[in-house]
Amino acid sequence: KNQVEQSPQSLIILEGKNCTLQCNYTVSPFSNLRWYKQDTGRGPVSLTIMTFSENTKSNGRYTATLDADTKQSSLHITASQLSDSASYICVVSDPFGNEKLTFGTGTRLTIIP
Amino acid sequence: DTGVSQDPRHKITKRGQNVTFRCDPISEHNRLYWYRQTLGQGPEFLTYFQNEAQLEKSRLLSDRFSAERPKGSFSTLEIQRTEQGDSAMYLCASSSRTSGDHNEQFFGPGTRLTVL
Repeated sequence: KNQVEQSPQSLIILEGKNCTLQCNYTVSPFSNLRWYKQDTGRGPVSLTIMTFSENTKSNGRYTATLDADTKQSSLHITASQLSDSASYICVVSDPFGNEKLTFGTGTRLTIIP
Repeated sequence: DTGVSQDPRHKITKRGQNVTFRCDPISEHNRLYWYRQTLGQGPEFLTYFQNEAQLEKSRLLSDRFSAERPKGSFSTLEIQRTEQGDSAMYLCASSSRTSGDHNEQFFGPGTRLTVL
């Protein structure tokens, strides 16, 4: 069973609309939770990093939230753009020096004009 | 370009052949990681180095896989006697313990391996 589960698996929205992606994790304890954006055929690029004590972190139109009690995180994208089309991956790192990252399977987001 | 680079970007090989991939990390990053990503899945950890020392290997890394980082700079990942199940994207990432910011890992563009 994957320790990091994401939903939905895929999402299609119109350009300009907002959307929220969900992440549930069972990795515990953990050091920090990250959201990555991965364009097709490219390596992941970090969007946000939150420690277990942080509740929210923003990066431009991306806002991540974290509820360590329920082990849930979300990534909210505001005013979507065509370039937001990508896979968004939730990643949890172990507390022992951040050596190992556990990746979710990702949400494939498609923005249509 | 001062990011993580990987070579080649694409590799097509026949089953049973050996392949070798190279990763050049960000300059002065002392940690280097290898991941494997299959279609529709998130990356899976394979192994990581701190300088030239290989500190951890995943159970995914069978005896046919070997990784080296001889001088603590670039790294190579070799797969011997490739199988069709080895077809995947192989990602390399690097980080610096001294850079702060939660030991953020910076990923390369990956090497796409197809085994026929």
